[in-house]
Amino acid sequence: EAQVTQNPRYLITVTGKKLTVTCSQNMNHEYMSWYRQDPGLGLRQIYYSMNVEVTDKGDVPEGYKVSRKEKRNFPLILESPSPNQTSLYFCASSLFGRTNEKLFFGSGTQLSVL
Amino acid sequence: QKEVEQDPGPLSVPEGAIVSLNCTYSNSAFQYFMWYRQYSRKGPELLMYTYSSGNKEDGRFTAQVDKSSKYISLFIRDSQPSDSATYLCAMSKAAGNKLTFGGGTRVLVKP
Repeated sequence: EAQVTQNPRYLITVTGKKLTVTCSQNMNHEYMSWYRQDPGLGLRQIYYSMNVEVTDKGDVPEGYKVSRKEKRNFPLILESPSPNQTSLYFCASSLFGRTNEKLFFGSGTQLSVL
Repeated sequence: QKEVEQDPGPLSVPEGAIVSLNCTYSNSAFQYFMWYRQYSRKGPELLMYTYSSGNKEDGRFTAQVDKSSKYISLFIRDSQPSDSATYLCAMSKAAGNKLTFGGGTRVLVKP
């Protein structure tokens, strides 16, 4: 089954404790992206990657890091989480990153930073 | 002011009614318009995709784009309880996949 898999689904942590949210897709997509979703603000892009070793900032990249060492994986790293990073996070992928392609989303990671 | 505005709802309708959703936007550079459906505790899934102005129909769903008014709409005919979800509009200025999302409208279809 074609899917984007994120882990964990839920995560509670404390300020300053480094964490990684994993994302993996099995569709051989070149394009992958991370979004955060906050009430009333919709989905905002954090980082995206057009291919292996190619990453770029989205609209809200501060406080986040990403890496794309393999095509299928695109982890999101919070080196020193803060309470304002409490949010619902989604990983997404599409074939080449073109607007007319279907963007596949994972099921989300609910992060709470205390 | 946000680039894309969407009433958060909730919009509650009886089963079988027409659901009417809309988004307004401020940037005339947007050319690609999408509607996503998001069920609770799930990621969004693409429902409709439209390029430039006009209408597009897919089963019970109709998407309309009015670029002169900077206004897009989604209509759901013969609504079902399974249509209860949050509907997000999204738009893009170019063929790359940088999407700007609205905040979403929560829809409840009551049996």
